[in-house]
Amino acid sequence: SQQGEEDPQALSIQEGENATMNCSYKTSINNLQWYRQNSGRGLVHLILIRSNEREKHSGRLRVTLDTSKKSSSLLITASRAADTASYFCATLYSGAGSYQLTFGKGTKLSVIP
Amino acid sequence: NAGVTQTPKFQVLKTGQSMTLQCAQDMNHEYMSWYRQDPGMGLRLIHYSVGAGITDQGEVPNGYNVSRSTTEDFPLRLLSAAPSQTSVYFCASSYTLQGVYEQYFGPGTRLTVT
Repeated sequence: SQQGEEDPQALSIQEGENATMNCSYKTSINNLQWYRQNSGRGLVHLILIRSNEREKHSGRLRVTLDTSKKSSSLLITASRAADTASYFCATLYSGAGSYQLTFGKGTKLSVIP
Repeated sequence: NAGVTQTPKFQVLKTGQSMTLQCAQDMNHEYMSWYRQDPGMGLRLIHYSVGAGITDQGEVPNGYNVSRSTTEDFPLRLLSAAPSQTSVYFCASSYTLQGVYEQYFGPGTRLTVT
């Protein structure tokens, strides 16, 4: 079954506001990654956080990881219309010779100009 | 660099037909994988490979075969297409340095099985 589950499924905000998306997962992980998908396109990697890290920043992105709660959040600050896309978390599990990156169902973000 | 390329972009098959989705990368990545994306289901891993000659199953492998004879290519074969295999298929690759596995995705193949 899928590892990550994003919340909310859909989010609509005004340009300039902050957007927060959450991800929960079920088992131990090596790292957690966030991806963006514009309509009809392939996914693009945004940011990665390792299991021994708690917070990471990249430009307007801030991701946190709480391994005790098995959850992560992605914050996009000062949103722009161009941020309109679906956002997916993905968890990497590697063990016993297996290397699987498992994606959640995504959060659809709409930023209204 | 072309990155990850996939062919064809669109394909319509009849039930029972077979076909191969092509995937190639020019980044010398060890890890390659195939996902399918269905509405409301996110991406589900079909098969993956950690290097030439090594493949393994993902979450939904039934009805699909893969092989990895070179580092660059990772074709996905549908043996006998079924309507349930109507989906968008994405190929991805990554380096495995320091266990990161940051994925680079191709543009996708939209497959319809009638």
